Amino acid sequence: KAGVTQTPRYLIKTRGQQVTLSCSPISGHRSVSWYQQTPGQGLQFLFEYFSETQRNKGNFPGRFSGRQFSNSRSEMNVSTLELGDSALYLCASSFRDRDYEQYFGPGTRLTVT
Amino acid sequence: SQQGEEDPQALSIQEGENATMNCSYKTSINNLQWYRQNSGRGLVHLILIRSNEREKHSGRLRVTLDTSKKSSSLLITASRAADTASYFCATDKGYGGSQGNLIFGKGTKLSVKP
Repeated sequence: KAGVTQTPRYLIKTRGQQVTLSCSPISGHRSVSWYQQTPGQGLQFLFEYFSETQRNKGNFPGRFSGRQFSNSRSEMNVSTLELGDSALYLCASSFRDRDYEQYFGPGTRLTVT
Repeated sequence: SQQGEEDPQALSIQEGENATMNCSYKTSINNLQWYRQNSGRGLVHLILIRSNEREKHSGRLRVTLDTSKKSSSLLITASRAADTASYFCATDKGYGGSQGNLIFGKGTKLSVKP
């Protein structure tokens, strides 16, 4: 099976712009989670989608949003970018609901200048 | 906020030696997982241990879990240069007590010298 794919892999944006990141989960996986990784804060949970519904959301401002499509592909959007949004954004998919392992994509490296 | 805290933050050993990393967490859990990350890339799942398990093995990896102390340890035996990476523990209890997301520690950076 193909792994989790994320596009684009690298992105440079300026403050105030918005950005959309895409994630394609492993075939058959219905749960997609997003994480932000920075040197200072480490890995932080953004949100999780299951069958097109947002099940959980982390402690991030409303500028961060996401959605999941019927084919389980997911997108996350960040509006009005700030310098502090520079990070590695990781997407993970999983099959089961409990006691599950997550399969991570390679990430999108976002740089905000 | 972080659920897990890994210890040590950094570890440097010679090839062939064993590496032990520890993780402590705060709330009750259903399971605890360990992941590896190579230099700014995606995370790779290593092992999952359930709250009713005390020890689990996978190849050169041995994980223990002590729910009374809210701690876990990851042992890598006979380390190799290819084991150089950051190692994270993650627990399943998230916001609102849900199980749909993982809470990660800050990680242990392991360096294995040839």
